[in-house]
Amino acid sequence: NAGVTQTPKFRILKIGQSMTLQCTQDMNHNYMYWYRQDPGMGLKLIYYSVGAGITDKGEVPNGYNVSRSTTEDFPLRLELAAPSQTSVYFCASSYGTGSGMNTEAFFGQGTRLTVV
Amino acid sequence: AQSVTQLGSHVSVSEGALVLLRCNYSSSVPPYLFWYVQYPNQGLQLLLKYTSAATLVKGINGFEAEFKKSETSFHLTKPSAHMSDAAEYFCAVTDSPYDRGSTLGRLYFGRGTQLTVWP
Repeated sequence: NAGVTQTPKFRILKIGQSMTLQCTQDMNHNYMYWYRQDPGMGLKLIYYSVGAGITDKGEVPNGYNVSRSTTEDFPLRLELAAPSQTSVYFCASSYGTGSGMNTEAFFGQGTRLTVV
Repeated sequence: AQSVTQLGSHVSVSEGALVLLRCNYSSSVPPYLFWYVQYPNQGLQLLLKYTSAATLVKGINGFEAEFKKSETSFHLTKPSAHMSDAAEYFCAVTDSPYDRGSTLGRLYFGRGTQLTVWP
């Protein structure tokens, strides 16, 4: 099983450039998430989705956009890259049902993004 | 929204010593609780989870955690540290399933605790 797959693993962007971070999962999970991780700050939720066609903002959505056209894919778009977006980005997925046994999140390996 | 506090951003122990990583949550209604581990340049891996069953939860690699409602705590322990335990550990909680409007599956993370194990 591939689980959650993120591409690319590393990327350097210039200020003002745009890019899309790709995320796909093969576990048929309804819920998908994008987090950013900064040193000493833990993980902050950027956007999440509870199913195809449904997305919502997390704690730090500014400067990002998402879409969820299929159950498997949840890309994250940076339109105008800024140095403050230098971070490690993690995609995750979970069943997200009413049963606590199914709320475990599975994480991708991360994308390390540097904006210069 | 939930909040999670991990006391101590860095913890150092000797190999063979007890590991204790602290986590407190804010909700008055017990949420679901998780501990994740992150090795360098890796994603997060689930260590263990509490989902309102037994209050003492056993996880992988000899770790366990005890849910204490009265203390709103979910501290992670391991009786004897191993060099391979050196990593960053994150405590996380979900919205309570008993709260109307909660988004189950949405995780709130603590800031993490870096565990160093000395030989």
